[in-house]
Amino acid sequence: EVQLVESGGGLVQPGGSLRLSCEASGFSFSDFWMSWVRQAPGKGPEWVANINQDGSGPYYVDSVKGRFTISRDNARKSLYLQMSSLGVEDTAVYYCARRGNLYDYWGQGTLVTVSS
Amino acid sequence: EIVLTQSPGTLSLSPGERATLSCRASHTISSNSLAWHQQKRGQAPRLLIYDASSRATGIPDRFSGSGSGTEFTLTISRLEPEDFALYFCHQYETSPWTFGQGTKVEIK
Repeated sequence: EVQLVESGGGLVQPGGSLRLSCEASGFSFSDFWMSWVRQAPGKGPEWVANINQDGSGPYYVDSVKGRFTISRDNARKSLYLQMSSLGVEDTAVYYCARRGNLYDYWGQGTLVTVSS
Repeated sequence: EIVLTQSPGTLSLSPGERATLSCRASHTISSNSLAWHQQKRGQAPRLLIYDASSRATGIPDRFSGSGSGTEFTLTISRLEPEDFALYFCHQYETSPWTFGQGTKVEIK
C-alpha cells in the first residue's frame, strides 16, 4: 500500500522558517517525481514544487521561488521542503504527492500557519 | 496556465440521490488529461477518476466521469453516507498542473 506521511508543520511568525518532511512507503520512491502541493483555507489546491527522480532540476511556482527549496533523500525514501521568509499567504495545508502520469497518491497533509 | 472552474460550490443532497459535479477548463484539454479527487477532512485526497472517465483502482462503479475539451463531469449515481466530502478536479495536460477550487457535497 502506497503511503505518504508528512510532518513538520506548525505555527511560525512572518519571516520565519520551517522544514517539512514526507516519508514514503509502499512503492519504489526513487522511480518517481515527487511534488509539494498546498491548499489554503477555503481554496483549491496549488502546486508548489516538483523534483525529479535523482533530485536534479527542481521546479517551483513563482510565488515561492527563492524562498522554498525542495529536496529528497532516496535512501531514506523521504521528500523535504525547506521554507523561509514565510508570509501569511503561505498559510495552508501542505501535501506531499506522488507525481506519476498525474498526482495519484497524496499524504494527509501538514498544516502550516504563518501568524504573529 | 489552465484555470479549472468547478460548479456548484456546494451540492446539498440526500443519501441515495444522484450527484452531478461540473469542471470547466479555460483552455481545451485535448488529451482528456483530467482527474477527479475526493477529499475528506484530515485525510489524504483520494484519486477517483483519471483520463476523464477511467476509474482508479478500488473505486466503486457508482462514480463515473465524462466529458471532453473544456467540459467535464463527475457523477455519483447514488450517494452513500461516505460520499459526502469535497471533490476537486485536476488537469495534467499542461504544466503547471492545476486544480479546481472544489465542490462540497453535503447532506441535505
